[in-house]
Amino acid sequence: DTEVTQTPKHLVMGMTNKKSLKCEQHMGHRAMYWYKQKAKKPPELMFVYSYEKLSINESVPSRFSPECPNSSLLNLHLHALQPEDSALYLCASSQDQGAEAFFGQGTRLTVV
Amino acid sequence: RKEVEQDPGPFNVPEGATVAFNCTYSNSASQSFFWYRQDCRKEPKLLMSVYSSGNEDGRFTAQLNRASQYISLLIRDSKLSDSATYLCVVNPRRSSASKIIFGSGTRLSIRP
Repeated sequence: DTEVTQTPKHLVMGMTNKKSLKCEQHMGHRAMYWYKQKAKKPPELMFVYSYEKLSINESVPSRFSPECPNSSLLNLHLHALQPEDSALYLCASSQDQGAEAFFGQGTRLTVV
Repeated sequence: RKEVEQDPGPFNVPEGATVAFNCTYSNSASQSFFWYRQDCRKEPKLLMSVYSSGNEDGRFTAQLNRASQYISLLIRDSKLSDSATYLCVVNPRRSSASKIIFGSGTRLSIRP
């Protein structure tokens, strides 16, 4: 089973809203990732968690706040987003940091 | 120079043709290499890892050339369903700072 599950699949939120994206994997992977992808561009790394600890933050604005409650779950808390934050948000996991990663289907986020 | 570079294409080839893409990387110490495919508005899916000895999976062959710092993907007997964007992915190092880096992708379109 190489499944990474993300919810919700679609999200529309206002600039004053607070929302959370969720990601779950049951492959025993120790690394989990958040990526942002704009149309016709490759995924851009946002955060990496390794063994439930934040390993990399790619200078992401503080309106994006990651959380790793346990080894299977990864959340991304959103607050006071801007319209330019509209994108596909992808979660991925891998056995170890830097190994082949498996992606969830993504959350298509629209900020209005 | 970008860390990972790909020809964006598009490559437009007839069904049944053989097509090859290259991807160059700048860090000679890079450890791991992968090819992903991404269909429009879907998540990237791992196509194959690329090993030093090269590897083959059905109609797909991946090669690594460390001396010239590139990886390649060869698709034989192309099918309509091979139409997608192919993303080259490189892991520059094995450490807590390890992160996979995506190339910008090569668009492939197979015509009947």
